[in-house]
Amino acid sequence: AQSVSQHNHHVILSEAASLELGCNYSYGGTVNLFWYVQYPGQHLQLLLKYFSGDPLVKGIKGFEAEFIKSKFSFNLRKPSVQWSDTAEYFCAVRYMEYGNKLVFGAGTILRVKS
Amino acid sequence: EPEVTQTPSHQVTQMGQEVILRCVPISNHLYFYWYRQILGQKVEFLVSFYNNEISEKSEIFDDQFSVERPDGSNFTLKIRSTKLEDSAMYFCASLREINSPLHFGNGTRLTVT
Repeated sequence: AQSVSQHNHHVILSEAASLELGCNYSYGGTVNLFWYVQYPGQHLQLLLKYFSGDPLVKGIKGFEAEFIKSKFSFNLRKPSVQWSDTAEYFCAVRYMEYGNKLVFGAGTILRVKS
Repeated sequence: EPEVTQTPSHQVTQMGQEVILRCVPISNHLYFYWYRQILGQKVEFLVSFYNNEISEKSEIFDDQFSVERPDGSNFTLKIRSTKLEDSAMYFCASLREINSPLHFGNGTRLTVT
């Protein structure tokens, strides 16, 4: 079955610290990969996506993610977090051979202390 | 930027009652989805809808659930007889074409008492 794992459920960082959130997915052929962010009280917003090409993708607000095919991973990174990055972050995978739906990870709650 | 809109933002209902959750997808989008997130759990896929029919549904989407696009703009999720375990945040999403990201609405928090 298709599954997505996010390694940390809660992360607490101080401002200016570097961030890396892990995401691994089960093998399933061709995939599209996404990171979504949900700020308190708001809807899921797309941070970045990978469909093909350069495995290092840059998204909004200084976030980037690297697709490592051999590790089935798509980790999210930001060199220096801000208080406003406090949110929940979701990794999601579309398995192209298994329809159009997204399979989500459990989410990582990030709290940035000012 | 166009948005997916959902109403109401919060609905409280009694067990056994029918509820209809409403969504207005982005106007030129062709694929429509419902997801739900039970408090503290993963965002789970419920159903996808394309060309006026269900294209895929999960095990969660049993006979108690139905979807409809009655007028070309609204996309509704109906739960016929709600159960306590239906309490969750329900997200509507849409996309224009297959290889594009989903756009999500703000969600409807359903509380079944």
